[in-house]
Amino acid sequence: NAGVMQNPRHLVRRRGQEARLRCSPVKGHSHVYWYRQLPEEGLKFMVYLQKENIIDESGMPKERFSAEFPKEGPSILRIQQVVRGDSAAYFCASSREQGQPQHFGDGTRLSIL
Amino acid sequence: GESVGLHLPTLSVQEGDNSIINCAYSNSASDYFIWYKQESGKGPQFIIDIRSNMDKRQGQRVTVLLNKTVKHLSLQIAATQPGDSAVYFCAENRRTGTASKLTFGTGTRLQVTL
Repeated sequence: NAGVMQNPRHLVRRRGQEARLRCSPVKGHSHVYWYRQLPEEGLKFMVYLQKENIIDESGMPKERFSAEFPKEGPSILRIQQVVRGDSAAYFCASSREQGQPQHFGDGTRLSIL
Repeated sequence: GESVGLHLPTLSVQEGDNSIINCAYSNSASDYFIWYKQESGKGPQFIIDIRSNMDKRQGQRVTVLLNKTVKHLSLQIAATQPGDSAVYFCAENRRTGTASKLTFGTGTRLQVTL
């Protein structure tokens, strides 16, 4: 069984460009979570989605950031007009039900030039 | 600030010894706790979890202890091996209305020496 798949693993963007990060959850999991991690720090919750719905986006900046989890296809975390401070590792996790263990992908490392 | 924190940022243990990684949390309403292991360049890997109605749970070579009185969580690794070297995070599951989300501590780096 495939785990959570994230792509790309590494993404380089220039300031002002858009970054799109993709996450395919574990098969059968309908709950997706996005986290951000800075070097030597823990993971910070950004957003929680359940097929086609955003359940909790309290950790996501109000501007430039958006997330979706369409009926078909992967979940997308989109960052518009990237700035240097967006450089981080972004992790996606999925679970079968809320309150059950979240399984993580290996992340996308975003670097802003 | 974070409500989940760790006492020791780095723990050095000799191969074969037991490791104990500690974690404090402040939200008494949290009902579920998880330990994750993160190796360099990888995502967090689930190790073991425990619900708030339990005070101990054992897995293969790992034991999690939960003390709700002092809001303390620990991960014990028996017979530590070089492959156990990683950063370990505790996470608490908090319910907010109909949703719940994980809040992570800052992590403890476990270094296994030969």
